[in-house]
Amino acid sequence: DAKTTQPNSMESNEEEPVHLPCNHSTISGTDYIHWYRQLPSQGPEYVIHGLTSNVNNRMASLAIAEDRKSSTLILHRATLRDAAVYYCILRDVGDSWGKLQFGAGTQVVVTP
Amino acid sequence: DSGVTQTPKHLITATGQRVTLRCSPRSGDLSVYWYQQSLDQGLQFLIQYYNGEERAKGNILERFSAQQFPDLHSELNLSSLELGDSALYFCASSVATRRGTDTQYFGPGTRLTVL
Repeated sequence: DAKTTQPNSMESNEEEPVHLPCNHSTISGTDYIHWYRQLPSQGPEYVIHGLTSNVNNRMASLAIAEDRKSSTLILHRATLRDAAVYYCILRDVGDSWGKLQFGAGTQVVVTP
Repeated sequence: DSGVTQTPKHLITATGQRVTLRCSPRSGDLSVYWYQQSLDQGLQFLIQYYNGEERAKGNILERFSAQQFPDLHSELNLSSLELGDSALYFCASSVATRRGTDTQYFGPGTRLTVL
């Protein structure tokens, strides 16, 4: 499976944007980029996913580099509720309904 | 609320015992996944069922077993428990469209403490 690399932690002030980077230099052409997050004492929850084009939803935006070797999850205005561990995960379209392979993720700290 | 329910929320037991964790998937979801989260190993995939059949296995110990019933709920059985089995156990479910991509919805987890 292609691997992802994320920073261990990031800090942000409330109502400021947060840019979470993810490197995936060995990504294959059929890998989707998924993001999940895990709030304290909860199960992970889906945030967003994309293949080649940038994506937006009500939670976040996903910016994908042209060569697809990296991507950035953007939280436009961080709130205290966004404090969580964010996981960047690659999933092959051929196994789109298989397991999620979690790494260590990025711990996001939001300061009031 | 993801729509996935897990019981019990907490379980405290002794080494050598056996426990059963239960998961009810979201309505309409055919696939169930079990994950283990411990402090030193992070979130690890254990096993996946699809419509009653085992589909994939991860790092699941031989002392652990699971099944998915006709009503699609699933149970994870952990036996001969050891201190190292103490962890959070999450169940997730998905529609399993097998097209493009698929979102997993996670339950709140069962915290197992083995003393």
